[in-house]
Order: sequence, then structure tokens, then C-alpha cells
Amino acid sequence: EADIYQTPRYLVIGTGKKITLECSQTMGHDKMYWYQQDPGMELHLIHYSYGVNSTEKGDLSSESTVSRIRTEHFPLTLESARPSHTSQYLCASSELGQIYEQYFGPGTRLTVT
Amino acid sequence: DAKTTQPPSMDCAEGRAANLPCNHSTISGNEYVYWYRQIHSQGPQYIIHGLKNNETNEMASLIITEDRKSSTLILPHATLRDTAVYYCIVSVTGANNLFFGTGTRLTVIP
Repeated sequence: EADIYQTPRYLVIGTGKKITLECSQTMGHDKMYWYQQDPGMELHLIHYSYGVNSTEKGDLSSESTVSRIRTEHFPLTLESARPSHTSQYLCASSELGQIYEQYFGPGTRLTVT
Repeated sequence: DAKTTQPPSMDCAEGRAANLPCNHSTISGNEYVYWYRQIHSQGPQYIIHGLKNNETNEMASLIITEDRKSSTLILPHATLRDTAVYYCIVSVTGANNLFFGTGTRLTVIP
């Protein structure tokens, strides 16, 4: 059973607000990921991290930022939310050097009005 | 970048075997085939992976053709809970990421 958590599960927020999506894992995995997915569409990698103090941009350009101060925690922040940010955000983790078995959290469904 | 081709949707009767095909004709020698599934509104779940030999675990079997240009994921006795989108992914183990395409939407019918 994967131990990776995301909060909140659902968030409706107005344009211009700053938001932080939380992701935590208790498996001690070094590598963590953030994906963005619109309904019925592909997952797009927006950020990943190899470990503490490591953050990298993914394949899809995103206005969000991430931080990795602790191994278990990988929050994603939007400084000023816009309707175009409406999407589902999925966090995942895996062991370093082994990407095939990524464990995903339940996701945060964000709606910006 | 899409390296695999999958049918957009398939149906399967409950209790029957579900055979999900995947074409990866440009696969290179060091690339593995991975399968994940995503049940509605949840994060994807790893199912199985393989290089060139057939693989089996408690969830499914993976059959890879000898030329490695295609593979089939087999769910031996499909249940309603197997209704999901199934992703076939090709990647090297040292890659930064797995590319999830649009997958095959499998519907298990009672």
C-alpha cells in the first residue's frame, strides 16, 4: 500500500490567490514528481526532484514553483492562481535511480474561478 | 513524446480475459515496457514491466513479442474494478520520467 498523501483533495479558489498544494510520502523515496492532468487527457510532468534541495522543471512549462526542504515533503505553489490553472495535480514518488514504479497520491482537483 | 500506440477504448465481459495491445515499433534495446492503470479520479497505479521476457505478477501478465515491437497486457479474469485507463509506456530505466499518453480506456461489462 502506497503511503503518499495530498491535501487538499479539492480546492475552489478565486483568481489572484496564492495557493500551496501539499504532498507528503512516508516511504523514504528520494525522487518525487508533480504531474498535471486535464480530464481525459495525458499526464504532463511539471516538476520533479532528486532529493533534498533538488528541484527540476518537467516537460510542460508551468507557472508553479516547488520546494524540497525535507525528503518526505514536496509542496507546489501558485503565487497567483488563474482560471487556466484549473486542472488535477498529481504527486508521485519513487526510489532514486528506479522510475518504473512510481507511487501516486490521490490528486488535488483545483478550480480557479 | 509518444513512443507507443494503443487503441483508445476496449470492452471486456466480466470474468473473461482482457487483452490490451500496445505497439512500440521504434523501441530501442535498452528500453523497458511499463504498464500503469488509472481508475477514475485516482492517481495511476503501476501494474507490471518487462524488457524482453514475458512477465507475470499477481495483477497481470505481460507478453512481449520476440522482436519487441509490440506487447500485450493480459488481465486473466477481468472484474468491474478493472475498469480504468491503461497506459503502455516505453522508457529506459535511467530516464527522468515516464511519458503517460492517452492510454486505452477499458470498460468491463457485467
